[in-house]
Amino acid sequence: EVQLVESGGGLVQPGGSLRLSCAASGFTLSNYEVNWVRQAPGKGLEWVSFISSSGSTIYYADSVKGRFTISRDNRKETVFLQMNSLRGEDTATYYCAREGAYQLLLTLWGQGTLVTVSS
Amino acid sequence: EIVLTQSPGTLSLSPGERATLSCRASQSVRSNYLAWYQQKPGQTPRLLIFGASTRATDIPDRFSGSGSGTDFTLIISSLGPEDFAVYYCQQYGSALLGTFGQGTKVEIK
Repeated sequence: EVQLVESGGGLVQPGGSLRLSCAASGFTLSNYEVNWVRQAPGKGLEWVSFISSSGSTIYYADSVKGRFTISRDNRKETVFLQMNSLRGEDTATYYCAREGAYQLLLTLWGQGTLVTVSS
Repeated sequence: EIVLTQSPGTLSLSPGERATLSCRASQSVRSNYLAWYQQKPGQTPRLLIFGASTRATDIPDRFSGSGSGTDFTLIISSLGPEDFAVYYCQQYGSALLGTFGQGTKVEIK
């Protein structure tokens, strides 16, 4: 089955760090651009970050720039989101999503991993 | 930055009725790179429409998209019980412009 699986979410104190992972099954993730999109509880979708298939091009939303780092290990078919200096407003379900034919056209989404930032 | 505004916020309809959802952009959307996603409660978003009017794989033909420039519409011609969900529009084509609308909830009347 073609799917994306996120992991690494959990409860963290304000100012803390977490590292999310996104792994693929049923296809070769290294052939695709990948994005992280988050959704705060009861809220809408917010794009967070983009990484090209080679890892050479990276973008961030202003809300996370300087605090989050996206990366990938194509040998391990995994994309990561390192989240530092976490704030309460970062509390959300984080989805990784694979692009289709166009940048940021998200054709395959993972099931999401919940990050809760609270003391 | 282009802002996408969806209306109405909530649409209360009965099964079998027609749903009309609007997405308005603050500036013209380049090349009609406008997508619609469906998110059912507790589920992950799913791509419905891209290029303003092209249905994604396995999307039934009761879903149709239209529009250009700044005004876009998603129509569900006859609501099935599985169509009650939140729908988001999104501009794509550039990660620096990939904003989502705030969503329209289609609920059972």
